[in-house]
Amino acid sequence: GAVVSQHPSWVICKSGTSVKIECRSLDFQATTMFWYRQFPKQSLMLMATSNEGSKATYEQGVEKDKFLINHASLTLSTLTVTSAHPEDSSFYICSAREVWASGLYNEQFFGPGTRLTVL
Amino acid sequence: AQSVSQHNHHVILSEAASLELGCNYSYGGTVNLFWYVQYPGQHLQLLLKYFSGDPLVKGIKGFEAEFIKSKFSFNLRKPSVQWSDTAEYFCAVSQNSGTYKYIFGTGTRLKVLA
Repeated sequence: GAVVSQHPSWVICKSGTSVKIECRSLDFQATTMFWYRQFPKQSLMLMATSNEGSKATYEQGVEKDKFLINHASLTLSTLTVTSAHPEDSSFYICSAREVWASGLYNEQFFGPGTRLTVL
Repeated sequence: AQSVSQHNHHVILSEAASLELGCNYSYGGTVNLFWYVQYPGQHLQLLLKYFSGDPLVKGIKGFEAEFIKSKFSFNLRKPSVQWSDTAEYFCAVSQNSGTYKYIFGTGTRLKVLA
């Protein structure tokens, strides 16, 4: 159980185009989903917290107009990188937290990641 | 601000050597603690987690970690490493309130020599 998928697993796009990445919780409902970014040989940096039915909360330094997040249902969140540039090339990872999760048992389930390369 | 420190950035060991990777966090409230492993070119995998109870937690692949509340630490251990343990290891801490977000450490890159 507790499987999170991401689509696509990798994408190559031209500079200036927009790219959408999907994150789905396959066998559970997720009130909250998180989006991370990982540069090569670095740790995961939280970009934003996405709550179903409400606006995402972005971490300091993350451009909300650049990285659009939509959490339209309890099983789907999307991250759209708008007007992508080579410096946006990175590994994007999502995670999901179950609806029933209490504060004592706060576990996120991670997706396999999406590798974005902007030419 | 909350932070998670992994002091060992690069560790090189020979096979069969014992491993201990440090993880310290700065947060005074109740926390959940995690260790993840990322093999080269692969995605994040959960090694073990601590929510409450016995502070010595056993995980997969022979790994264990000990939560020492007084030291704000959650060190990862393995008595005998294998070449296949070569990977990057991340410690993560989450608070049990608010956004429940994770704070990740900077990671420790482990290389095991055959």
